[in-house]
Formats: sequence, C-alpha cells, structure tokens
Amino acid sequence: QITLKESGPALVKPTQTLTLTCTFSGFSFSSPGVGVGWIRQPPGKALEWLGIIYWNDDRRYRPSLQNRVTITKDTSKNQVVLTMTNMDPVDTGTYYCAHRPPYYFDSSGYPFWDYWGQGTLVTVSS
Amino acid sequence: SYQLTQPPSVSVSPGQTATITCYGDTLPKQYAFWYQQKPGQAPILVIYKDAQRASGIPERFSGSSSGTTVTLTISGVQAEDEAAYYCQSADSSYTYVIFGAGTKLTVL
Repeated sequence: QITLKESGPALVKPTQTLTLTCTFSGFSFSSPGVGVGWIRQPPGKALEWLGIIYWNDDRRYRPSLQNRVTITKDTSKNQVVLTMTNMDPVDTGTYYCAHRPPYYFDSSGYPFWDYWGQGTLVTVSS
Repeated sequence: SYQLTQPPSVSVSPGQTATITCYGDTLPKQYAFWYQQKPGQAPILVIYKDAQRASGIPERFSGSSSGTTVTLTISGVQAEDEAAYYCQSADSSYTYVIFGAGTKLTVL
C-alpha cells in the first residue's frame, strides 16, 4: 500500500523560505521510473505542477519557478523535500506530493501521479 | 503558450452520460491524464495515457483522444461522481507539466 504525507509549516512570512517534507511508504526509488512530484493548489483554483524528482535523481521544475524551487530526496529516510525561496502571498495554497509509478506500470517516464498525499495548507502572510 | 482548455462546468442528471473535453495543441503528440477531485480531498487518478482506466476506477469512466481534444466520458453518472475533473499533460521532454483549469461536474 503506497502512502505519502506532507509535513511542514502552516504559516510562513513573505520573503521566507518554505521547506516541506513528503514522507512515503510502500515504494522506493530503487525502481526505474519512480518519481515524486509536488503540485500545489491555491484556494478555489486549479492544480499547478511545481516539479518532480525521479529515481535516478533527474529533476524537472516548473520553468517560472525554477529559480525558487529545489526538490531533493533522502532514500534512507523515504523522504522527498521541497524548498521554495522568497515566499509571497500568491504562493498560499495546499501543497501535495504525489507518486509517479515505475516504468513497468506504463512503459514510459511520463510525469503523472497515481497516489497523492492528503496535502498541507500553507499560508503566506505577515 | 502551452495550455489545456476545459469547460468550467458540466451538468447532467443521474443515469445520463457526462462528457468533459480538454483541448490542447500538443495533445496529438502527448498523452493526457484525468484526475477527479472532490471538495477538501486530494486528486485521484482516473485515466492515464489517454484511455487507460486507473486501478479501482469504475468501468463507467472512459477516456478517448482525437486530434487536439481528449475526452473523459462518464456513462450512467451517479451522484458520487460530482467533483472537479482536471486534465493533465506534458511536453515531449517532460520539462513542462500542465493541468487544465478544471471542470466542475454537477449531478442534478
């Protein structure tokens, strides 16, 4: 059973750095094709992809956020960490981490997500 | 710019068929995926690679693709299907992942 759970601060001040941790179970990065992505959702708005880290440490980021976002993984702890610098009130929203399945599932490295965390609400306000 | 266009809302009566479309210039060459999201909950994968039903998804959900448009069809809509549905795709190098703005399905 695959599970993911996001953790981190519920409130950050403008210009601060946000660090969110995704702790997962039921899979590992040893399977080719596996990835963990971060997706956020402002209140009442659509989903927005932030980035993804793959089993081989390949990383892709949303181009408009590339200078602010970093995703790393700690395979020994089964964790993926999202760091976003210079937070602004427009970054307020629910942040999700999600699992991209291994190659044997869909025969591609296409970024999509079959399991999601419950999400964590981050509010940016002074 | 790279974007996916969905109708903001679709309404159907129980037992009818709901059709939700997603338009994008790159869809003829790229796969599309569909997610269902109910209020206060995380999204759930419904369809992957245009037409593959995800695990645990009822057979009344199906996906199709034709040119620049992909379609999510829900046959025999049930009240529990009321949710927002998002299409998703990516560019050829998997560098840019995009979601549509979402379609709110209302079951009358």
